[in-house]
Amino acid sequence: GAVVSQHPSRVICKSGTSVKIECRSLDFQATTMFWYRQFPKKSLMLMATSNEGSKATYEQGVEKDKFLINHASLTLSTLTVTSAHPEDSSFYICSARSFTGDTQYFGPGTRLTVL
Amino acid sequence: SQQGEEDPQALSIQEGENATMNCSYKTSINNLQWYRQNSGRGLVHLILIRSNEREKHSGRLRVTLDTSKKSSSLLITASRAADTASYFCAPFYNQGGKLIFGQGTELSVKP
Repeated sequence: GAVVSQHPSRVICKSGTSVKIECRSLDFQATTMFWYRQFPKKSLMLMATSNEGSKATYEQGVEKDKFLINHASLTLSTLTVTSAHPEDSSFYICSARSFTGDTQYFGPGTRLTVL
Repeated sequence: SQQGEEDPQALSIQEGENATMNCSYKTSINNLQWYRQNSGRGLVHLILIRSNEREKHSGRLRVTLDTSKKSSSLLITASRAADTASYFCAPFYNQGGKLIFGQGTELSVKP
């Protein structure tokens, strides 16, 4: 199956700093990537959808200036959490889908802790 | 709502028993996908069943789809402790193309 990687797997940062999370599709071209957020014992909440070369589409209630998404190539999307606060602490998961595929392949997730 | 709703929310069984999880959705779909998530990990794609299919198998997994009832089920036969995880269904619609997840079913298989 297709492989999606995320980096870093864990990050701890101070309040007020920015953190960048990378999502890469390793063996296929991902025309569309998705970013999810998951709280403990909860479902995944879709944050935004990004298509390569265009602006991300954010779900209702997600601050686009807070969570910056860049999908500059067919194998890489980044999520930057700007001016992070403790309430941004969460598990962030990306997924990727090719142009011809219906299946979304998920990365292993990034655990963000903001102190 | 575009998400699938899984039932039950939690299921605890003994190793060797079968586990059945159900999923309901609201509107017509292109396909429906099942995923597994081990604690603290990403989601693993298990199986995709298209709207014109009624049943699909993959190893110990059996998925059914009833589009008239807008429901699907995932059966895991001869369960193992390693099957302990959360299971999510995700209806895939033609419009938007994004997967929205419900709360999932938390499966616990006791050795």
